[in-house]
Amino acid sequence: EAGVTQFPSHSVIEKGQTVTLRCDPISGHDNLYWYRRVMGKEIKFLLHFVKESKQDESGMPNNRFLAERTGGTYSTLKVQPAELEDSGVYFCASSQVGFRVNEQYFGPGTRLTVT
Amino acid sequence: ILNVEQSPQSLHVQEGDSTNFTCSFPSSNFYALHWYRWETAKSPEALFVMTLNGDEKKKGRISATLNTKEGYSYLYIKGSQPEDSATYLCAFRNALNFGKGTSLLVTP
Repeated sequence: EAGVTQFPSHSVIEKGQTVTLRCDPISGHDNLYWYRRVMGKEIKFLLHFVKESKQDESGMPNNRFLAERTGGTYSTLKVQPAELEDSGVYFCASSQVGFRVNEQYFGPGTRLTVT
Repeated sequence: ILNVEQSPQSLHVQEGDSTNFTCSFPSSNFYALHWYRWETAKSPEALFVMTLNGDEKKKGRISATLNTKEGYSYLYIKGSQPEDSATYLCAFRNALNFGKGTSLLVTP
């Protein structure tokens, strides 16, 4: 069974540009999560989808970040326009059932560098 | 924002040593406590999901305990091996609050 996949693995963009990250969850997993880890800091929750609906987006830092999950399969996270402080590793995870208790399976992450 | 604290921040042990580290979390409104293992250049891997006070879980040489009343969990590694080298993360309420992790290095 394929795990969570993310694309690209690494992106380098200039400040002010737009970047779109993609996450493909494990097939059949309704729950999809986005996280970010900025250098030297802990992993921070960004948002949670249940199928195509945003269940919790309390962690989204500001309106430059837009996440979508049309059709309830893969998800995209767009950063527009990117700022220097957006640099970090963006992780996606999925789980089959629930949120609070169930195990999440993480993707390999996308390392975003904004210069 | 609920603070999750992990200690120590880093740990260096010799192969064969047993070790343990701590995750502290707010004891109110507890749902679950998760432990993840995160190797460099890989994605975090779930180790344990702990939900009940007094829970003790084991996977091979790694085990974890949970005290929800006082708000802490211990992760133990018995007979550390170089392949145990990784960052061990705990997460409170699963997704919302991660600790900064304990970075473990096991040298032969």
